[in-house]
Amino acid sequence: GEDVEQSLFLSVREGDSSVINCTYTDSSSTYLYWYKQEPGAGLQLLTYIFSNMDMKQDQRLTVLLNKKDKHLSLRIADTQTGDSAIYFCAENGKAAGNKLTFGGGTRVLVKP
Amino acid sequence: NAGVTQTPKFQVLKTGQSMTLQCAQDMNHNSMYWYRQDPGMGLRLIYYSASEGTTDKGEVPNGYNVSRLNKREFSLRLESAAPSQTSVYFCASSGRDRGNHEQYFGPGTRLTVT
Repeated sequence: GEDVEQSLFLSVREGDSSVINCTYTDSSSTYLYWYKQEPGAGLQLLTYIFSNMDMKQDQRLTVLLNKKDKHLSLRIADTQTGDSAIYFCAENGKAAGNKLTFGGGTRVLVKP
Repeated sequence: NAGVTQTPKFQVLKTGQSMTLQCAQDMNHNSMYWYRQDPGMGLRLIYYSASEGTTDKGEVPNGYNVSRLNKREFSLRLESAAPSQTSVYFCASSGRDRGNHEQYFGPGTRLTVT
């Protein structure tokens, strides 16, 4: 079956870089996503990458995709206190109905 | 353009009571979804509707029903609430806005069943 896994927690100092990792099992994924959830709010799409790319940069965000190892990462440069949130990766895989499979989320805590 | 809206924001029910969670989107999306989020368990899909007129079970459909009322609206009903249904419920919708199926989420409904 499809499975997406993430580490539970990451602590980082303000100004440092954060790297959040994700592994997935479905090799047919065409798009992979990173969502951010702030306390008490819904999920907000941060960025996505098409499966034929290995890197995508968007301002402070860099997404790396290793399709061979089925490994996705999100790097946040110059991490700010406003980046404290839960980050979810997701993939679309073989699922019908345009469904996404989400990882369990990584809680990022940015310390001043 | 409000995106995805959900009502109510908070609800407390007694065991056995029923209620309907409402969701609407104004992005002309074909697909809509209901998820529940529990601590340490990420998001789990309850039901989804790939297009108007169709609904399908997701990962955890037991105890729930859905109605795709029209293209805009997708409601989730709890016929007889149980404490195990205490959770945060999110509605989402997706189209092919940028050629992919990114989902847009509502703000959530926090449900407590006592």
